[in-house]
Amino acid sequence: EIVMTQSPATLSVSPGERATLSCRASQSVSSNLAWYQQKPGQAPRLLIYGASTRATGIPARFSGSGSGTEFTLTISSLQSEDFAVYYCQQYNNWPPLYTFGQGTKLEIK
Amino acid sequence: QVQLVQSGAEVKKPGASVKVSCKASGYTFTSYGISWVRQAPGQGLEWMGWISAYNGNTNYAQKLQGRVTMTTDTSTSTAYMELRSLRSDDTAVYYCARVFPDAFDIWGQGTMVTVSS
Repeated sequence: EIVMTQSPATLSVSPGERATLSCRASQSVSSNLAWYQQKPGQAPRLLIYGASTRATGIPARFSGSGSGTEFTLTISSLQSEDFAVYYCQQYNNWPPLYTFGQGTKLEIK
Repeated sequence: QVQLVQSGAEVKKPGASVKVSCKASGYTFTSYGISWVRQAPGQGLEWMGWISAYNGNTNYAQKLQGRVTMTTDTSTSTAYMELRSLRSDDTAVYYCARVFPDAFDIWGQGTMVTVSS
């Protein structure tokens, strides 16, 4: 089973600054990596898939990079609405199998 | 608009079963898969399994094999997730999500399932 490890567990950043979140896979997942944002009381929202492709309607300040085992989600200039928990997820095409990281809480500094 | 609407909250006793529904609208139901994800209170996301709405093929998380069954009703564009032999640690919010192309692009609003004696 592939294990996804996110770091840090909590990240404190000031509005307007840049945030960098990391996700590591225990073995290569190629570019089969997605990022989600979740706010309290809400369902998760897809931000990035294919490691670097923004989902429909996602602002350009969100960007994803990486392949293999190391991935990064960057938020270039934090807005108040960006403070939330972020999850990475790897997916295996067949059979369909998915694993989430434990999440990074992005909080206001 | 494209949406998934789930059934309401449930309270069950240990050992019982629960069946959660997820009704799709705004897209061709059989063109996409559906995955189920749960989230225990204050915890992260846990993938439970996947079902093809096209042919009913399934793949379940190993941890839940034997206790979970996912089905679809194409006549009503509805997916179902049944979990049996409920335990207290099954208490969670259960989400359905559309799978496209491999990630989960549309989510239901979540269904709280509480297991308590």
